Amino acid sequence: QKEVEQDPGPLSVPEGAIVSLNCTYSNSAFQYFMWYRQYSRKGPELLMYTYSSGNKEDGRFTAQVDKSSKYISLFIRDSQPSDSATYLCAMSAGGATNKLIFGTGTLLAVQP
Amino acid sequence: DSGVTQTPKHLITATGQRVTLRCSPRSGDLSVYWYQQSLDQGLQFLIQYYNGEERAKGNILERFSAQQFPDLHSELNLSSLELGDSALYFCASSPQIGSYTEAFFGQGTRLTVV
Repeated sequence: QKEVEQDPGPLSVPEGAIVSLNCTYSNSAFQYFMWYRQYSRKGPELLMYTYSSGNKEDGRFTAQVDKSSKYISLFIRDSQPSDSATYLCAMSAGGATNKLIFGTGTLLAVQP
Repeated sequence: DSGVTQTPKHLITATGQRVTLRCSPRSGDLSVYWYQQSLDQGLQFLIQYYNGEERAKGNILERFSAQQFPDLHSELNLSSLELGDSALYFCASSPQIGSYTEAFFGQGTRLTVV
């Protein structure tokens, strides 16, 4: 079983829709939770970061972490064609390495 | 631009060969991570160096090795290449370890083994 599970999609939505992306994980040591966005043939770039459980909002994006359920979500409101990309969840236990463990990524296409 | 530079951008080589991928981290970043991204596996952590020392190992094959030099740039060496090694290889850097710090990714090296 992978430490981090993510539905690979693809997910296709019309412009303006609310998008929900999710990951589950098995390692209870994870305490830092991130969402990265990756455009085709580019490196991943950090979109949102959350420490421990709770919600965080940044513009049209909301990240949620539920440590009791080992479940994290990213919501995109009023989705735009420019949001079309692969979204990767990533997690870290911090400590001596801070290495990130990634989900497989969800490919999102927002249709104009 | 993340500030992390990877060279070369593309590499095509034959099975059995050896290649070296290079990563220059952001100025001042001490930690370097290497990841492999293939279509069916996503981003897989390979290895991490911090200030010249190996800090963590992930799913790195014995045919692969890495090092971080005194100027903090890092190289990933892949030898006895197989078709299955074809993938995108990313380097990321961060300032420190311990509490969370953002990891910045380079644009990757696309390796094709024929």
